[in-house]
Amino acid sequence: ELKVEQNPLFLSMQEGKNYTIYCNYSTTSDRLYWYRQDPGKSLESLFVLLSNGAVKQEGRLMASLDTKARLSTLHITAAVHDLSATYFCAVDKASGGGADGLTFGKGTHLIIQP
Amino acid sequence: DGGITQSPKYLFRKEGQNVTLSCEQNLNHDAMYWYRQDPGQGLRLIYYSQIVNDFQKGDIAEGYSVSREKKESFPLTVTSAQKNPTAFYLCASRPWTGAQETQYFGPGTRLLVL
Repeated sequence: ELKVEQNPLFLSMQEGKNYTIYCNYSTTSDRLYWYRQDPGKSLESLFVLLSNGAVKQEGRLMASLDTKARLSTLHITAAVHDLSATYFCAVDKASGGGADGLTFGKGTHLIIQP
Repeated sequence: DGGITQSPKYLFRKEGQNVTLSCEQNLNHDAMYWYRQDPGQGLRLIYYSQIVNDFQKGDIAEGYSVSREKKESFPLTVTSAQKNPTAFYLCASRPWTGAQETQYFGPGTRLLVL
């Protein structure tokens, strides 16, 4: 059974600080997805990581993928309050991608305080 | 504007009642999905469809049914057999190839039991 584990599940941090969210998965998938969810809202796509060593950055967020370690990280630099949200990582159920759906982690609930 | 619409935004179900959640997309995507999200949890796959007139069970299909008569539409019926239907339901779509493409999510339907 494919498993996706995120940690931490809850994170409270101060503005201006740096922190990293970790996503471990149990399959040999070479692609991984990060999403953001605001309270009561749907999911917004942040990053699609398609190969080993992939790194993508958008503003204060940077995601990376190590397929050998089956690990992805989402790094937050100089956090600001607007980044407060729940962040999910997800992996394709079928190896090599395809249309079989995603398996999600439980999410990291991030609160950034002034 | 291209996108995914879900209706209604809120839905109330009485004991023993079947209810249907609507999902429509105008992105010309082949694959469509239904996920369920419980409070503080990640998303779990209910059903998915890769082409018209074909669909597959996901991880938690019991108590649910779907149809895919048109490419644009993928309605989900929550039957009376689903004993704990209270959750946030999210519909998603994705191009058939899936290559370098994330899943795009609708705004969601929140189902409550009276």
